[in-house]
Amino acid sequence: KQEVTQIPAALSVPEGENLVLNCSFTDSAIYNLQWFRQDPGKGLTSLLLIQSSQREQTSGRLNASLDKSSGRSTLYIAASQPGDSATYLCAVNGGGLTFGKGTHLIIQP
Amino acid sequence: GAVVSQHPSRVICKSGTSVKIECRSLDFQATTMFWYRQFPKQSLMLMATSNEGSKATYEQGVEKDKFLINHASLTLSTLTVTSAHPEDSSFYICSVFRLAGSSSYNEQFFGPGTRLTVL
Repeated sequence: KQEVTQIPAALSVPEGENLVLNCSFTDSAIYNLQWFRQDPGKGLTSLLLIQSSQREQTSGRLNASLDKSSGRSTLYIAASQPGDSATYLCAVNGGGLTFGKGTHLIIQP
Repeated sequence: GAVVSQHPSRVICKSGTSVKIECRSLDFQATTMFWYRQFPKQSLMLMATSNEGSKATYEQGVEKDKFLINHASLTLSTLTVTSAHPEDSSFYICSVFRLAGSSSYNEQFFGPGTRLTVL
């Protein structure tokens, strides 16, 4: 059974810092991996999708990497802004999506 | 990306009543939709896979008689919480599944969610 772990569970940093969120998964037989953002009480916003054959994807200040063999993915946020404050979820697609519990990120103005 | 809507966005009901949540795929026909549930401070958990024209597939521990799923058309799936109780209060999110060429390029697009509060 696939298990997804996200570290840290919570993170608070000053505005402007670069930061890394980590996601690990136990079964490397995946199709792709997605990073989502969830604002309080809201649905999910898809940030980046990395196919199993890819190593990384970039969108604006966001960069996601994937090391399928080691079961790890990272989400790199450059020059963080208060508007980046949210919960970031990693989801692994091995036929169905398995979600991590998320990293609650607070960017201090 | 695909556009997915859910209705209602928020519902408050009395214990014992039934609540229907609609999930619509607005810009493509979805043969497969998924229903998730998220309790406070928990991750999303898949409840069931909704297949157009056939019975839904439920995850272990999800009562199929309590959570009725109907996927009568390629653009609409409904989740009915029957005889709702306070412990059913949760955030329900649907997603549509789109296959693009090969299975490694499938992707899910999520609705905005429905917050159910059972008094």
